Formats: sequence, C-alpha cells, structure tokens
Amino acid sequence: DTEVTQTPKHLVMGMTNKKSLKCEQHMGHRAMYWYKQKAKKPPELMFVYSYEKLSINESVPSRFSPECPNSSLLNLHLHALQPEDSALYLCASSQAGGTGSLYEQYFGPGTRLTVT
Amino acid sequence: AQKVTQAQTEISVVEKEDVTLDCVYETRDTTYYLFWYKQPPSGELVFLIRRNSFDEQNEISGRYSWNFQKSTSSFNFTITASQVVDSAVYFCALIPIYNQGGKLIFGQGTELSVKP
Repeated sequence: DTEVTQTPKHLVMGMTNKKSLKCEQHMGHRAMYWYKQKAKKPPELMFVYSYEKLSINESVPSRFSPECPNSSLLNLHLHALQPEDSALYLCASSQAGGTGSLYEQYFGPGTRLTVT
Repeated sequence: AQKVTQAQTEISVVEKEDVTLDCVYETRDTTYYLFWYKQPPSGELVFLIRRNSFDEQNEISGRYSWNFQKSTSSFNFTITASQVVDSAVYFCALIPIYNQGGKLIFGQGTELSVKP
C-alpha cells in the first residue's frame, strides 16, 4: 500500500490564525518530508525527518514548525503566516538511509493553503 | 553544481502521438539516482521510476520508456501512443550519493497536454 494521506485538503487561514497540517503513512517508512510548491514550480524541500528526528531544515521561517510524533505521523504547525505562504504543501515519505535516503519518495495529495 | 534541466516547458500533442520529455542533469558525483514523477492536475506527485547511475539499461513499462545515457547526462522519458490521461506536469529529479538527507533536486517540469 503506497499511500500517504494529508489533511485537510484545503485550508484558508488569516494571518493571525494558528493551524496544523497533518500527514500519515503506513508503509513503514522512516523518513518523512514537507515540501512547499507554488504554481508552475517544482516542489521546494522544507524539512526532513529521519527516524523521527529533524535532519534537515532548509532555512524555513519559524512561523512553520514541524513535528514528528511517531514514525507514521508528521505535522506542520502554522502560525502568523503571510499571504506569500499560500501554496500547495506536500508531504512525502521514503525508506530511510544512513547518510540520507536515496530511495523514491511517495507523496500525499497535498494541502492547498490560502493565507488571507 | 547539482542541477536538473528540463528545457521543454510545455508540450502539446494529439492523442496517440508519441512524445519524448527531455531531462539533462549535472552532478559532480559518480554515484547518483535519477527519478521521474508525474503531477496530474489533482496535485499529487506520482512516482514513476528510479534509476541508479550504474544501470544504463533502458526501461520499458507499458507505454512508458526511459532512455538513460551517462555520456550525455540525459534521462529522457517517452510516452508511446499518448492518451488524454497522460496530461500532467512531469518532473525529472536527481539525488547524488552524498545527498544531504534525501534532498531531491528537481527540474522545472514539463507540462504535457494531450488533446483528444
């Protein structure tokens, strides 16, 4: 079962709101990822968790706060976002590797976020 | 430099035509992995293929085929007898062996439109 689920599918939030995006996988993968994708652009990596530990933060602003409660779940907490943060947020998972995963990543359907 | 170039921004074909999507990559590493992903309008990135740098055999999967040539640093993707359902954005991506934790280096994507 190669499925990654994400909730919600769509989210509209004001700049003062706090919200969370959720991601779940049951493939036994130990690496999980958050990406941000703007229209007509490739996904941009935000965070990588490997064995439930944050291994990469691509200099993402602190208004985005990731959390990995267990090996199947990944959250992205959002606070005081800006309109330019409106985008498709994609979660992915893969088998983990020693110095980093070389395996294919399986993506969820994404959360389309609009910040007003 | 580590880079993936997809020079074709948009391609439009009529159903049943064959179409080739080009991918050229740059990496200083001798060991690396190449990927193709499909992103239909629904937004989810669908994994298509992973190929390592030591395996230059071409691959065929149904109507899809991939031509990997290290001599020209290319990993092209051909769809035979295209169908409307093939309409999507296709991304080529690279992970070098010393890959900083699984960071996919994406090309800019090629938007394929298959018209009936």
